[in-house]
Amino acid sequence: EVQLVESGGGLVQPGGSLKLSCAASGFTFSGSAMHWVRQASGKGLEWVGRIRSKANSYATAYAASVKGRFTISRDDSKNTAYLQMNSLKTEDTAVYYCTSFTVVTPSGAFDIWGQGTMVTVSS
Amino acid sequence: SYELTQLPSVSVSPGQTARITCSGDVLGENYADWYQQKPGQAPELVIYEDSERYPGIPERFSGSTSGNTTTLTISRVLTEDEADYYCLSGDEDNWVFGGGTKLTVL
Repeated sequence: EVQLVESGGGLVQPGGSLKLSCAASGFTFSGSAMHWVRQASGKGLEWVGRIRSKANSYATAYAASVKGRFTISRDDSKNTAYLQMNSLKTEDTAVYYCTSFTVVTPSGAFDIWGQGTMVTVSS
Repeated sequence: SYELTQLPSVSVSPGQTARITCSGDVLGENYADWYQQKPGQAPELVIYEDSERYPGIPERFSGSTSGNTTTLTISRVLTEDEADYYCLSGDEDNWVFGGGTKLTVL
C-alpha cells in the first residue's frame, strides 16, 4: 500500500524549532521528489517546499514565506523526509502535509498525501 | 512569485454542471492540477496535466485550459461532490495553489 505518515507536530513557542518527519512506503521513495504543503485552520493550501531525489542532487526549493527558516531533508535509507522549522512564528500554525507522486502522474502531480500533522505556534 | 485566482464559492443544484475556474500567468506555460478536499481530510488529486482524469475519478469530472485560465467542470453534480477545490501550478522551483473554491450543492 502506498502511504505517507507524518509525525512530529505539536505545540511550540514563537521563536522555537520543530522537526517533522514523513515516512514513506509502497513506492520508490528514493526516486521521488518530496513536497510539504500546509493549511492553516479554515484557510487554503500553501506549498511550503520540496526536495528532489539523489539523481537531481537533492535540490531544494522553498516558498518565500519560509525561506531561510525552514529546511527540507531526506534519508533514503529510512524512506523518510524531514521538515526542520526554525524561528517559528504564530502564522506558521497549520496542519502540515507531506506529498509526492507515483508513476501514474509523470508530470509530478501530487497523488500521494499523508494524513497531516498539526503544528501550533503559541506562547 | 506566482499567483492563482479562484472564486471563493460556487453553488449548484444536484444534476447541474459546476464550473470552477483558476486564473494566473503561470498557467500559460505550466500544467495545472486540481485537488478536492473534504472537511477533515487530506486533499485528493482529481485532474492533472490540465485535463487528465486521475484513475478512479468519475467521468463527470473534466479539466481544460485556455490561455491563462484553467477550468474544472463537474457534470451531473452529486451531493457528494460538495467540497473545496484547489488548483495548483508552477515550475520546478516554485509551486502555488489557488485560494480554493467551496462548491456547495444546494
